[in-house]
Amino acid sequence: QAVVTQEPSLTVSPGGTVTLTCGSSTGAVTSGHYPYWFQQKPGQAPRTLIYHASNKHSWTPARFSGSLLGGKTALTLSGAQPEDEAEYYCLLFYNDIWVLGGGTKLTVL
Amino acid sequence: EVQLMESGGDLVKPGQSLRLSCTASGFTFGDYDISWFRQAPGKGLEWIGFITSKTYGERSQYAASVKGRFAFSRDDSKNVAHLQINSLNTEDTAVYYCTRGGRYELFDYWGQGSLVTVSS
Repeated sequence: QAVVTQEPSLTVSPGGTVTLTCGSSTGAVTSGHYPYWFQQKPGQAPRTLIYHASNKHSWTPARFSGSLLGGKTALTLSGAQPEDEAEYYCLLFYNDIWVLGGGTKLTVL
Repeated sequence: EVQLMESGGDLVKPGQSLRLSCTASGFTFGDYDISWFRQAPGKGLEWIGFITSKTYGERSQYAASVKGRFAFSRDDSKNVAHLQINSLNTEDTAVYYCTRGGRYELFDYWGQGSLVTVSS
């Protein structure tokens, strides 16, 4: 089974910009992996932020954006807010199976 | 308003079975895949699988880690999907989430989760 890798933790200053990345053990992440990004705050259910690499749901704050970058998929947060402190998970599709990354704990400090 | 609500979580003994439900409202349930995830205490999310809509044959797909012990079903007339878990073991202790979408539709809405604790 493929392994999806994320940075275990990142820190960003309030108002700053940070990029979280998500890679695949099988090679470059492409649009064919239909990448998703989920946000989960402590004690809460996850929330879907980004689908198909770069598309936002209606509830996704404008400061979040997704992309395919250098063989990975990336989630960029521009203008971090204290409420963005959370765990972020990447999800990739492989031949009818979804595989999650281990999550990135983002600290806003 | 789209809502998903899991229920059926409980404290069970190893070897027992349990059925979780995911009850939906605010949309045409039969038009959508339903997917399941779980999260063990202090751990990351794990994708469990999905069941497609009747349009796509009500086909189920499972993660390798649960194949053979987990089974999905759905009753579109009652707007509910079920997750049957057999031969429970302590590693199944987790919060179980259902989501709308997953194979032919987008992942979007999540339920609030249902806690399953497996302990003797």
